[in-house]
Amino acid sequence: AQKVTQAQTEISVVEKEDVTLDCVYETRDTTYYLFWYKQPPSGELVFLIRRNSFDEQNEISGRYSWNFQKSTSSFNFTITASQVVDSAVYFCALSEGLEYGNKLVFGAGTILRVKS
Amino acid sequence: DAGVIQSPRHEVTEMGQEVTLRCKPISGHNSLFWYRQTMMRGLELLIYFNNNVPIDDSGMPEDRFSAKMPNASFSTLKIQPSEPRDSAVYFCASSLGLGGAGNTEAFFGQGTRLTVV
Repeated sequence: AQKVTQAQTEISVVEKEDVTLDCVYETRDTTYYLFWYKQPPSGELVFLIRRNSFDEQNEISGRYSWNFQKSTSSFNFTITASQVVDSAVYFCALSEGLEYGNKLVFGAGTILRVKS
Repeated sequence: DAGVIQSPRHEVTEMGQEVTLRCKPISGHNSLFWYRQTMMRGLELLIYFNNNVPIDDSGMPEDRFSAKMPNASFSTLKIQPSEPRDSAVYFCASSLGLGGAGNTEAFFGQGTRLTVV
């Protein structure tokens, strides 16, 4: 069975602090995809990143960066110099079944509160 | 592109009534997913379609739930009869599913908040 664990239920930081959101996954598949989605207070789910299991290179996009380590089954997400607009719930997800599109298994989410 | 469009955004209904949620996927996407989000269970997949055909409905909670995709641009999720425990946010998502590395990420609609009283 596939599983995604986000152990941090809620994190509070002050603006401009760096923050890392943890994600640990379980799968028996050798080929899989990992995702991060953001859910702001307005409720929609916004895609942030997709990473396949064969690409362990870290990725940086502006203030966002992702660290994928297969050895520890982790796909952590760091926001540098956090801003109030980063306040949201962040979900890590794992895809199972690559034949017909990425069917996602979500973690429970981490609530990030950035205070000014 | 307008993105995935769901309607209605909010729905309040009485227990026992039939509820129909609607979704228009992104044009060109051939995979469509229905998810439900609750505080207790988080985000869970209910059913997904590929090329309008249901592929996996193992997440559909009960026979009261049914989903259809009559064409590539429209899908419905119906609950009949509705119960208070069905109260949740229902998301529709679509992606381009070509198999393996050809699959794209799923893009979500804004969701339908359903309240059954």
